[in-house]
Order: sequence, then structure tokens, then C-alpha cells
Amino acid sequence: QVQLVQSGAEVRNPGSSVKVSCKASGGSFSTYGISWLRQAPGQGPQWMGGIIPFLNRPNYAQNFQGRVTITAEKSTTTAFMELRSVRSEDTAVYYCALSSAGGLDVFDIWGQGTRVSVSS
Amino acid sequence: DIQMTQSPSSLSASVGDKVTITCRATQPISNYLNWYQQKPGKAPKLLIYATSSLQGGVPSRFSGSGSGTDFTLTISSLQPDDFATYYCQESYTPGVTFGPGTKVDVK
Repeated sequence: QVQLVQSGAEVRNPGSSVKVSCKASGGSFSTYGISWLRQAPGQGPQWMGGIIPFLNRPNYAQNFQGRVTITAEKSTTTAFMELRSVRSEDTAVYYCALSSAGGLDVFDIWGQGTRVSVSS
Repeated sequence: DIQMTQSPSSLSASVGDKVTITCRATQPISNYLNWYQQKPGKAPKLLIYATSSLQGGVPSRFSGSGSGTDFTLTISSLQPDDFATYYCQESYTPGVTFGPGTKVDVK
């Protein structure tokens, strides 16, 4: 069974960048779809984008296009999400999630979440 | 963009109750509708995919139905472990969308 372990909580000043990692273990990393979602307090999850490591071609949600970069390292079975020019509204819990069927649409395995706080 | 709504936003129920949660999409999404359960401080957990297919390990008291724009999640007999927030999610279009959630708490 695949497990996803994310990096720890982050605190950032407005205008800076944050990079969160997600290490996969126990499965075929390259063929899964790995997405990044975030969840602000009291809201439903919001899909930011994703990547299928085998294709190495990320897809981004329109809301985040130009501000987020998603990458995957097959050698370390780790995915990364970098968000730039952060602002207070980016304060949320960020999740990586895996689609074992290979797409970026149904999320059957989730990381534990990484809390990102943006404050001056 | 497709928007998802859920009703009710919250409900109070007792163990053994039958619980029904409704999800509506702003345009037809065929059967591309999934349900998740989330407990405080935890990641969402996939319960049902493609409207009515039960994810492995999910108890059979959970069921889903619907098509087009209107969908339902039913818990046939609420158990103590089921008090949580439930989200629907469409997977019809690239860049999926979640509903705002329905919180099920103790009556």
C-alpha cells in the first residue's frame, strides 16, 4: 500500500515562496497521478495542480497558473509543490494526494497535510 | 467552471439514524462524482467514486446514487465513527471541484 509523507509546517512572510515535499513509499511512483490540494479553514479542498511522474508534465489549476510549480523526482519518489508570492489568503493546509488509477481526478491516498501560515 | 453545492451544510443525528446528504452540480457531470469523509485534523478519505462504487475497506452502510447534476450519499445506519464532514467532488472536468461540505454531528 502506497503511503505519502509530507514535510513539516512552514511559516512565511508575504511575498516569499514556500516549497512542500511529498515522499511516496510502497508503490509504483511513476505511474500514479500526484496532485496538490489545499484546504483553508472551514472550506472544502481546492485542487492546485498535479503531475504524472511517468509523463513529467504538470497540469495546473487556472487559479494558480504562473504562481505554482509542481515537480516530481522519480529517483527519490518525491513530489514537490512550490508556491510563490504568497499572501495571507494562502494560509491553509496543503495536501498531496495520489490517484492510483493514474489520473489527476480521484484521490484515494492522501498525505498527512502540511500547514502553511503566511503572516507578517 | 463547474460549481458544487451540498445540502444541508450541517445536520445533527443519532447513532442508528439514516442520513442523506445531497450534492448538486451546476452542469451535468454524468457519473463523475466522488464522496470523501474528513475528520478534524485529518486528511480526507475517499468513500465512494463514480457515484456509487464503494472504495475498498469502506463499510457497506455507505452508498451513493445519482446522475447528471443531482447526487446523494446515504449512510443507512449511522455509527459513532461516522461523525465527520463529508465532501462531494466532481471529476468530470480537468481541475476538479469539491463541494463546501456537510458536517454530521451528534444530536
